[in-house]
Amino acid sequence: RKEVEQDPGPFNVPEGATVAFNCTYSNSASQSFFWYRQDCRKEPKLLMSVYSSGNEDGRFTAQLNRASQYISLLIRDSKLSDSATYLCVVTTGGSYIPTFGRGTSLIVHP
Amino acid sequence: DGGITQSPKYLFRKEGQNVTLSCEQNLNHDAMYWYRQDPGQGLRLIYYSQIVNDFQKGDIAEGYSVSREKKESFPLTVTSAQKNPTAFYLCASSIDSGGTDSPRFFGPGTRLTVL
Repeated sequence: RKEVEQDPGPFNVPEGATVAFNCTYSNSASQSFFWYRQDCRKEPKLLMSVYSSGNEDGRFTAQLNRASQYISLLIRDSKLSDSATYLCVVTTGGSYIPTFGRGTSLIVHP
Repeated sequence: DGGITQSPKYLFRKEGQNVTLSCEQNLNHDAMYWYRQDPGQGLRLIYYSQIVNDFQKGDIAEGYSVSREKKESFPLTVTSAQKNPTAFYLCASSIDSGGTDSPRFFGPGTRLTVL
């Protein structure tokens, strides 16, 4: 089983839709969780951290479910500019070296 | 503005040649990282450095070498021993070398193509 798994998609949604991605991780000792956004042929950029209590930033909400070992990213009122690949990142205690998922592709169309 | 710079943006290399990719940061971050990304793949860690004059191998270090003589700089050399070097190379840094932080800042990347 891969350490961090994401559905590659693509998720194809109309503007204004709500879309959610999940990311599962295999190591129960994982401690830090993040979502990054990567545009085509560009570098990843930190979107938000994921805290145990959840985290909301405008239209974006991230949640952590330790019991089931997954994190989620919810995007409300999708914009065309939200089209990108969303990378899940998990850091496991001990090494503090993060593992990146392969990403989930989102396409928002008019 | 602080950030990470990588050069060159595009690099072409003939088989059998060594090439060095530059990475400089002025964020005063302790830790620096090199990743490789292939089409449709996630980021794979090549090398990382948590402090000056120290670095560790990542998951795919074979065929690569690094140095960390200065806090700001972490150059990556792709040697002729690397069998499939064509890829997108990303340098990153993070403020906390020993905590649970994650690379927060990435450079714009270098696209290496072997001809």
